[in-house]
Amino acid sequence: SQQGEEDPQALSIQEGENATMNCSYKTSINNLQWYRQNSGRGLVHLILIRSNEREKHSGRLRVTLDTSKKSSSLLITASRAADTASYFCATDASGYGGSQGNLIFGKGTKLSVKP
Amino acid sequence: KAGVTQTPRYLIKTRGQQVTLSCSPISGHRSVSWYQQTPGQGLQFLFEYFSETQRNKGNFPGRFSGRQFSNSRSEMNVSTLELGDSALYLCASSSGLVNTGELFFGEGSRLTVL
Repeated sequence: SQQGEEDPQALSIQEGENATMNCSYKTSINNLQWYRQNSGRGLVHLILIRSNEREKHSGRLRVTLDTSKKSSSLLITASRAADTASYFCATDASGYGGSQGNLIFGKGTKLSVKP
Repeated sequence: KAGVTQTPRYLIKTRGQQVTLSCSPISGHRSVSWYQQTPGQGLQFLFEYFSETQRNKGNFPGRFSGRQFSNSRSEMNVSTLELGDSALYLCASSSGLVNTGELFFGEGSRLTVL
């Protein structure tokens, strides 16, 4: 079953606006990651936040993690047309006895940034 | 450093046939994981190999199998193909030794079953 569930499923914004995506998960985790996928291509790792961290920044990305609510958010500031892609959260499967290569992905948020 | 390479990128098969997909991980990475991505089910974990041993397996039927060679290259095989096997198959590699968490993905092999 899906561990992470993103919200919203689709998001359309104008260039320069901020985009916020949310993710919820079910079991305890060691870390939570966000990946990006351009249409029909491979996934690219964006950022990882560990369970003992609350917030992390990387360039125009800001990720928060609330383990009490089992939720995370990804904020992309000053979005660009090139940010158009699908964004997935992924959690480790340690709660299910999984190993490092076993991530549980949500269904993703499809972001469209209009120039 | 070369990234994860998957071959072939695209292929078309008919029901009942079998298919073998190949993945070359990043040099030095010993863990290779496979994922299936479909519009309906999203990204689902198939299996992970580390040092030629299957370390973990997802909830897929026995028609899906894989292996890893001594050079860490991996193959996955799907036998008796069904229409529902049409998907993007993604391979990901990691060091497998230190759990940094991050996986490095290839561009995928898009399989269409007719």
